[in-house]
Amino acid sequence: GAVVSQHPSWVICKSGTSVKIECRSLDFQATTMFWYRQFPKQSLMLMATSNEGSKATYEQGVEKDKFLINHASLTLSTLTVTSAHPEDSSFYICSARDARGRFSTGELFFGEGSRLTVL
Amino acid sequence: DAKTTQPNSMESNEEEPVHLPCNHSTISGTDYIHWYRQLPSQGPEYVIHGLTSNVNNRMASLAIAEDRKSSTLILHRATLRDAAVYYCILRDPPGSQGNLIFGKGTKLSVKP
Repeated sequence: GAVVSQHPSWVICKSGTSVKIECRSLDFQATTMFWYRQFPKQSLMLMATSNEGSKATYEQGVEKDKFLINHASLTLSTLTVTSAHPEDSSFYICSARDARGRFSTGELFFGEGSRLTVL
Repeated sequence: DAKTTQPNSMESNEEEPVHLPCNHSTISGTDYIHWYRQLPSQGPEYVIHGLTSNVNNRMASLAIAEDRKSSTLILHRATLRDAAVYYCILRDPPGSQGNLIFGKGTKLSVKP
């Protein structure tokens, strides 16, 4: 199956700093990637849809100026948490779909997740 | 996306079959039933999907009710590595560009 890789897998930062998380599709091209956030013991919540070459679409309640998303190529999307605060501590997960539809199931492939802890 | 209802948690013994139910009474004619699972501290992974007929793959089987208002994910022999949260999700046909909307899922515990 296809592989989506996230980096870093975990990060600890001080309050007020910015953190960048990368999401790469390793063996396929993804015109669309999705960013989710998951707090402890809760389900995944969609934050934004990242489209290659265009602006991301954010879900209601997600601050686009705080969570900067860049999807500059068909294999890379980045999420930058700007001026992070302790309440931004969460598990951030990206997903992607093969743009050429090689996988007939239409399944989404998920990264391993990035755990952010803001002190 | 239509809503699904799953039990919050289930327990199973290792090496025994597990039947994870999902109710989706408002499913539309074009909704596919997808199952994903999330192991602890990992991103979700695809398990199986179907439309009307029962489906089998190397991971599991999916039994879909004739009226499509419910389905059951079947793990034939649970292992400790199957302990995860299982999500039942309805979505557009494969190839659509939509995302997945996750409910609370069922947390499966497997006892040795």
